[in-house]
Amino acid sequence: DTAVSQTPKYLVTQMGNDKSIKCEQNLGHDTMYWYKQDSKKFLKIMFSYNNKELIINETVPNRFSPKSPDKAHLNLHINSLELGDSAVYFCASSPTGYQPQHFGDGTRLSIL
Amino acid sequence: AQTVTQSQPEMSVQEAETVTLSCTYDTSENNYYLFWYKQPPSRQMILVIRQEAYKQQNATENRFSVNFQKAAKSFSLKISDSQLGDTAMYFCAFMIFNNAGNMLTFGGGTRLMVKP
Repeated sequence: DTAVSQTPKYLVTQMGNDKSIKCEQNLGHDTMYWYKQDSKKFLKIMFSYNNKELIINETVPNRFSPKSPDKAHLNLHINSLELGDSAVYFCASSPTGYQPQHFGDGTRLSIL
Repeated sequence: AQTVTQSQPEMSVQEAETVTLSCTYDTSENNYYLFWYKQPPSRQMILVIRQEAYKQQNATENRFSVNFQKAAKSFSLKISDSQLGDTAMYFCAFMIFNNAGNMLTFGGGTRLMVKP
């Protein structure tokens, strides 16, 4: 069973479009995250949610809007996609506290 | 703010040999955790090993071990008996936990190639 699953795995779209990436975890964790990995492989946190509440928002453009309908799901909606949004987006989850984060397999977003 | 630096963008090692990947970090925190994650070509992020800052004993997981030097803010990863499947990007990561949540800060990664 996949612990943290993201859909889709690949997303190719045109500039200006709006798209969503879904994430679900079946580990019973309280906290979920979105990370962005750029073309140079640099990983940076975007958002963190704890029990459906936004905890961390790391100066991400407001075109990015996370939504957590329940603590097992954290979706990422992106409006007006730009070329610079091309990246791999990782969802992760963890229990509260000093615990390792478990990552999904990533979604490669390519903007044409 | 925390920063994590991996000074070796790329490394290679012969199969069955030992290799050490470097990581340094900067923080004013006293309680934190350190991790090494592996990212093979399949793109998954796989936890390799973790170290609690309050523990003096270095963590070990099978062929993987760390050399944690808290005063020097250094956290290197040693891979013994390297295998072809160890070929991957390796990321050092630092975690604090406070009212803002549980946040991982990653280094820039080291690409490791294991040669037959």
